[in-house]
Amino acid sequence: QVQLQQWGAGLLGPSETLSLTCGVYGESLSGYSWTWIRQPPGKGLEWIGEISWRGNTNFNPSLKSRVTMSVDTSKQQFSLELSSLTAADTALYYCARRGNIMIVEDMPRDYYYMDVWGTGTTVTVSS
Amino acid sequence: IQMSQSPSSLSASVGDRVTITCRASQRISNYLNWYQQKPGKAPNLLIYAASTLQRGVPPRFSGSGSGTDFTLTISSLLPEDSATYYCQQSYNTPRTFGQGTKVEIK
Repeated sequence: QVQLQQWGAGLLGPSETLSLTCGVYGESLSGYSWTWIRQPPGKGLEWIGEISWRGNTNFNPSLKSRVTMSVDTSKQQFSLELSSLTAADTALYYCARRGNIMIVEDMPRDYYYMDVWGTGTTVTVSS
Repeated sequence: IQMSQSPSSLSASVGDRVTITCRASQRISNYLNWYQQKPGKAPNLLIYAASTLQRGVPPRFSGSGSGTDFTLTISSLLPEDSATYYCQQSYNTPRTFGQGTKVEIK
């Protein structure tokens, strides 16, 4: 059964860069895309972006200028960097697997969802 | 695509039928997921493709809808269903979420 374990610095100063890594255990990282999502304290979920096992990325336009994602298939890990931090970036950051299934109805369609999640890393931005 | 849920919170009794609504700002066919999040835990996938139950999810949960309007129904509420529920569109990126609906047990 696939599990995700994430780690990274939890307390950062304004203008610094957040760096988080998510390790994939129990199943190959290859063949899937991998997602980062964050949740500010007491608030809802925000999709940050996703990276395929081949390294293709999609980012949230609201964060795109500050986000970098990478994947290392040999280490079974993928990573997130978010630069120029402000207090607004304080949040619980989750990594997740982007599962997909093709359903053939009137035509073949690919459906995507987050089916495996890490436990989350709290990141606080404070001076 | 903006996703909006209603109500933002509700309180219901054990055994009640509970319905949560999610509306997309544009048509998304049935590219709609539902998640359950309990306090201090990561979200858990309940439903994808608007109405397909994820493996292991109890059948008291069901989803419906297409286009812009969707619903999540809990047919008979149990104490362990106390949680916040989120919809998410998977039609395109960014894969936006609704603001969440908090379900409490009376």
